[in-house]
Amino acid sequence: ETGVTQTPRHLVMGMTNKKSLKCEQHLGHNAMYWYKQSAKKPLELMFVYNFKEQTENNSVPSRFSPECPNSSHLFLHLHTLQPEDSALYLCASSQTGTNSYNEQFFGPGTRLTVL
Amino acid sequence: KQEVTQIPAALSVPEGENLVLNCSFTDSAIYNLQWFRQDPGKGLTSLLLIQSSQREQTSGRLNASLDKSSGRSTLYIAASQPGDSATYLCAVKTGGSYIPTFGRGTSLIVHP
Repeated sequence: ETGVTQTPRHLVMGMTNKKSLKCEQHLGHNAMYWYKQSAKKPLELMFVYNFKEQTENNSVPSRFSPECPNSSHLFLHLHTLQPEDSALYLCASSQTGTNSYNEQFFGPGTRLTVL
Repeated sequence: KQEVTQIPAALSVPEGENLVLNCSFTDSAIYNLQWFRQDPGKGLTSLLLIQSSQREQTSGRLNASLDKSSGRSTLYIAASQPGDSATYLCAVKTGGSYIPTFGRGTSLIVHP
C-alpha cells in the first residue's frame, strides 16, 4: 500500500448504529487530518492530529469521536449520526516542521450515507 | 483570518483551449499554496505546491504561478483535454500554521 488509504470506501448506516472510519498513511508523516465534504459546500476541517496529539477540533459535534493511536493511523468513530452527516469524509496527512514543505496528501475518502 | 476565493466557480470549454483558473487570498503572509484536482466522489490529488519564496511551478501541461503581494495564484492548463474535467481546488497555508484554508473550487468541464 502506498500513500493514504481509507476504509471502508462506502458506508450506509442507520441513526442508531455505531461505526468507525479508518485511515492509514504510508508516507512517514507526523500530522493527520479529517475533513468533511458535503454537496455544494467547501471542504470543512474537522480534526487535526500532530504527533498523535489532537491540535484542532473545529467545533465538531460529539457524535464524531477521533482516535489517533500512532502517527500512521487515524480513526473516526461515529455514533447516533443524523442524515445531514451524510457526506464524503476525507483523511489527509502531511509532514510538519520548519524544514518540510507541509504538502498534504489525501486518501480516496469514505462516502457515508446516514438513513 | 485567511479567506480563499476561486473564480470562476464553473467553467465549460471545448477541447484544446488553454485555461486559466484563479485563486485569491486575503492574507499575503502565506507559507505555501497547493493546487489539487478532485474527480467526482473521489479524494483530492495534489497537482502543484508553490512555496512562498517561489513564483511558479510546472508539471506537464500545468503551470501554477504565485503573486503574494497581490494575493493571487493562477493555474494555467495548456491544450485542455476531456480528461482534465474535474474540480480544481487551491489551499493556502498561512505562516505559523500547518492547517490549510481551502477555496470552494472551480468545476471544469472540457467537452470533445
